[in-house]
Amino acid sequence: GQNIDQPTEMTATEGAIVQINCTYQTSGFNGLFWYQQHAGEAPTFLSYNVLDGLEEKGRFSSFLSRSKGYSYLLLKELQMKDSASYLCAVLDSNYQLIWGAGTKLIIKP
Amino acid sequence: GAVVSQHPSWVICKSGTSVKIECRSLDFQATTMFWYRQFPKQSLMLMATSNEGSKATYEQGVEKDKFLINHASLTLSTLTVTSAHPEDSSFYICSARDPLTGENQPQHFGDGTRLSIL
Repeated sequence: GQNIDQPTEMTATEGAIVQINCTYQTSGFNGLFWYQQHAGEAPTFLSYNVLDGLEEKGRFSSFLSRSKGYSYLLLKELQMKDSASYLCAVLDSNYQLIWGAGTKLIIKP
Repeated sequence: GAVVSQHPSWVICKSGTSVKIECRSLDFQATTMFWYRQFPKQSLMLMATSNEGSKATYEQGVEKDKFLINHASLTLSTLTVTSAHPEDSSFYICSARDPLTGENQPQHFGDGTRLSIL
């Protein structure tokens, strides 16, 4: 079956750096997405990786290793507004999105 | 600005009522739209894929007679929760992808509809 794993919850301090990991086992791979979702709101797109390596976009970076079935989202200079759930999703061979359960990130002052 | 509009954003109604949720693509024509349901503290669960001009494709375990999907135009898909009961209370979200930008492009999400059945 298809499976995506990410930690349920993480806590970090304002101004610090946090890395949210995602491992996946899917039938085929056409890319991996990271979305941010604040409570009660719809997800918003953060990043897309299809090739191995690191993609940097401001305070947020996303890394992919296809051979390891592994990705991480790196958030730098954490702000209180970064408190949200972060969803990892993989596009499988049928171009269907397979969603992880999400990681709730709690930022403390 | 928002490229996918979803309406209404909040519905509270009595058990047995049918509720219609609309999802519109504003800047592009969406041949395919997706309907998700999300229970508290859980991830998005794909309910069905809405296809313009043809029948929707439902995920396993989703009752097609309970959740009616109509995609009559290239910019509008509707989800009707028929005879809703308290267990149908959830956050329903639609999404669409601009077909002109490729299948590996991110989906654009509506703002979601919070449905509460009393």
